Amino acid sequence: EAQVTQNPRYLITVTGKKLTVTCSQNMNHEYMSWYRQDPGLGLRQIYYSMNVEVTDKGDVPEGYKVSRKEKRNFPLILESPSPNQTSLYFCASSLLSRGSYEQYFGPGTRLTVT
Amino acid sequence: AQKVTQAQTEISVVEKEDVTLDCVYETRDTTYYLFWYKQPPSGELVFLIRRNSFDEQNEISGRYSWNFQKSTSSFNFTITASQVVDSAVYFCALSEARETSGSRLTFGEGTQLTVNP
Repeated sequence: EAQVTQNPRYLITVTGKKLTVTCSQNMNHEYMSWYRQDPGLGLRQIYYSMNVEVTDKGDVPEGYKVSRKEKRNFPLILESPSPNQTSLYFCASSLLSRGSYEQYFGPGTRLTVT
Repeated sequence: AQKVTQAQTEISVVEKEDVTLDCVYETRDTTYYLFWYKQPPSGELVFLIRRNSFDEQNEISGRYSWNFQKSTSSFNFTITASQVVDSAVYFCALSEARETSGSRLTFGEGTQLTVNP
């Protein structure tokens, strides 16, 4: 079954404690990205990757890091989480194109930073 | 820069009513793609439709229909004979056709639709 998986699904942590949210897809997609969803703001892109070892900033990259060492995985790293990073996070993947392909979204990770 | 606006934050209807969700977008590109996603209370994002900027034909899928009007930069979504299961947050999104940004989506703020029995 084609899918994007994220782990963990729920996470409560404290300010400053490094964490990683994993994302994996089994569709051999080149393009992967991370979004955060906040009330009244919709979803905003954090980082994206167009292939292995190729990553770039989205609209709200501050406080986040990513890596793309393998095609299927695209982890999101919060080196020193802060309360303003409390949000719902989605990973997505698609074939690389000029905007024409459907993006497949993971189930979401709800992060709370206290 | 591209932008998507969903001016209706919340809509509440009674079952079997028709409801239209508005979406207005801004882009400088002539080639772009528009999407609608549904987010039910369980939280996942469900893809509903993709439309490219060269195809202005309206589309109907069961009780769902979409009206794309380039002249007003709008891509509105209508649910006919709404049902309680339609209760969800609906997002409109735009993707520009650029290699450097791949399939990046710009989302609207979302519209919370509540269908009451």
